[in-house]
Amino acid sequence: EAQVTQNPRYLITVTGKKLTVTCSQNMNHEYMSWYRQDPGLGLRQIYYSMNVEVTDKGDVPEGYKVSRKEKRNFPLILESPSPNQTSLYFCASQGRASQREQYFGPGTRLTVT
Amino acid sequence: AQKVTQAQTEISVVEKEDVTLDCVYETRDTTYYLFWYKQPPSGELVFLIRRNSFDEQNEISGRYSWNFQKSTSSFNFTITASQVVDSAVYFCALSEAMANAGGTSYGKLTFGQGTILTVHP
Repeated sequence: EAQVTQNPRYLITVTGKKLTVTCSQNMNHEYMSWYRQDPGLGLRQIYYSMNVEVTDKGDVPEGYKVSRKEKRNFPLILESPSPNQTSLYFCASQGRASQREQYFGPGTRLTVT
Repeated sequence: AQKVTQAQTEISVVEKEDVTLDCVYETRDTTYYLFWYKQPPSGELVFLIRRNSFDEQNEISGRYSWNFQKSTSSFNFTITASQVVDSAVYFCALSEAMANAGGTSYGKLTFGQGTILTVHP
């Protein structure tokens, strides 16, 4: 089954404690992306990757890091989480130009206290 | 810069009423894609429809219909005979073109703020 998986689904942590949210897709997609969802703001792009070892900033990259060492994985790293990073995070992937739809993971709800 | 505006923050209707969710977008691209996603209370994002900028035909899928008008930069979504299960947050989104080594591909989605639809029994 074609899917994007994220782990963990729920996470409560404290300010400053490094964490990683994993994202994996089984569709051999080149493009992967991270979004955060906040009330009244919709979803905003954090980082994206066009292929292995190719990443770039989205609209709200501050406080986040990513890496793309393998095609299937695109982890989101928060080196020193702060309360303003409390949000719902979605990973997405997309194939070549002929496949216009983005596939979204189930979301990770992060709370930073 | 891309922008998507969903002016209706919340809509409340009674079951069986028709409801239209508005979406207005801004882009300088001549080629782009528009989307609608549904987010039920469980939180996942459910893809509903994709429309490219060259196709202004309206589309109907069961109780759902979409009206795309380039002249007004709008892509509105109508639910006919609403049901309680339609209660969700609905997002309109715009996809811009992004170039890569293999040619042009579509990547970043710019989302509207979302409209919370509540359908009462």
